[in-house]
Amino acid sequence: GNSVTQMEGPVTLSEEAFLTINCTYTATGYPSLFWYVQYPGEGLQLLLKATKADDKGSNKGFEATYRKETTSFHLEKGSVQVSDSAVYFCALSVRNQAGTALIFGKGTTLSVSS
Amino acid sequence: GAVVSQHPSWVICKSGTSVKIECRSLDFQATTMFWYRQFPKQSLMLMATSNEGSKATYEQGVEKDKFLINHASLTLSTLTVTSAHPEDSSFYICSAREVWGVGDQPQHFGDGTRLSIL
Repeated sequence: GNSVTQMEGPVTLSEEAFLTINCTYTATGYPSLFWYVQYPGEGLQLLLKATKADDKGSNKGFEATYRKETTSFHLEKGSVQVSDSAVYFCALSVRNQAGTALIFGKGTTLSVSS
Repeated sequence: GAVVSQHPSWVICKSGTSVKIECRSLDFQATTMFWYRQFPKQSLMLMATSNEGSKATYEQGVEKDKFLINHASLTLSTLTVTSAHPEDSSFYICSAREVWGVGDQPQHFGDGTRLSIL
């Protein structure tokens, strides 16, 4: 079936540290891949996406590359800020009987201290 | 950017009452809206997919009669939790997908509704 596996959190970093959050997926066909961010008490915001193999999504200093050979979509940022503290969800899109839907990983909590 | 408004943001009510949650796309039209449920420190679980003008498609294990979904217009979908009980307490999040082009249009998420049943 279709699934997304993210590294367990929480991830605790100091400001300006390098961030990697691992994400691997299992899917039939060729899904699009997404990273969403959820700040405390809020809904999800799309952070970046990639729609085909070798695509790189980027936004606000975050990057992720769609790696078909390793079925991965790891999220990276070179220098994190306190304001990046949030929960990050990796997701893939799948076809279901209603059209397409998102399958989410369990989320990884990032905590950045100054 | 595309904005999805969810209302109310927090509701507390007695066991046995029904609660309606609204999800509106404010500046775009959405043929498809999604309803998710999120337990503390866990991922979002898709409950149902709602296409405007047709019946919602529920995921396996979600009670249709318990969670009534109506998607009467291109900008509004509602989720009604009927005869709510404490086990229905959760964070409910809706999302809406824009109508344009083909392929994977992005979903835009509301801020969620925290439902607490006493």
